[in-house]
Amino acid sequence: DVVMTQTPLSLSVTPGQPASISCKSSQSLLYSDGKTELYWYVQKPGQPPQLLIYEVSKRFSGVPDRFSGSGSGTDFTLKISRVEAEDVGVYYCMQSIQLPLTFGGGTKVEI
Amino acid sequence: EVQLVESGGGLAQPGTSLRLSCAASGFSLDDYAMHWVRQAPGKGLEWVAGISWNSGSTHYADSVKGRFTISRDNAKNALFLQMNGLTTEDTAFYLCAKDIDFWSGIDYWGQGSLVTVSS
Repeated sequence: DVVMTQTPLSLSVTPGQPASISCKSSQSLLYSDGKTELYWYVQKPGQPPQLLIYEVSKRFSGVPDRFSGSGSGTDFTLKISRVEAEDVGVYYCMQSIQLPLTFGGGTKVEI
Repeated sequence: EVQLVESGGGLAQPGTSLRLSCAASGFSLDDYAMHWVRQAPGKGLEWVAGISWNSGSTHYADSVKGRFTISRDNAKNALFLQMNGLTTEDTAFYLCAKDIDFWSGIDYWGQGSLVTVSS
């Protein structure tokens, strides 16, 4: 199974300041079709996860442009350029290069 | 609007069975693979099972293989998870999830149905 390792476990951020979350995979997430199968989700309190970023850097529909994803191979980063109060929650990375789908342990973002 | 609504959770004794359902709307179910993902209270996400658009292939986490069965009825816009031989380790919220395409990532999730296994 592909192991996904997220850091940090938690992050306390001042509104308006940037935040960054790292995700490392135990093997390359680059598929033979050229896509890199790395996704980012946020789970806000009491809600299911919501897709933020797909294929490393593509923002999902309706996701504010303060969220951005980058990386390649096995190292990936989610950045929030200016954190807002509504961004509190747990952020997860996930790989889909192979089944089972596997998730990072989560990063709790607090204001 | 894509909606996924789970039902069928509840309290079960160890060794017994439960069947979860997921009602899908807002998209053509038969165009997408589907998944079940679970989340123990206060814990992270664990993929449980996935099924291709036409039920031609199914895949399971090692932790549930041989005990759980994923199925779907595209005509009824429904996804199912038959859970047999439940253990306390299966206690979790079970979320129905839509694949982006064909064994890609997940783009939409249901709210989840709580399964509690306890004697």
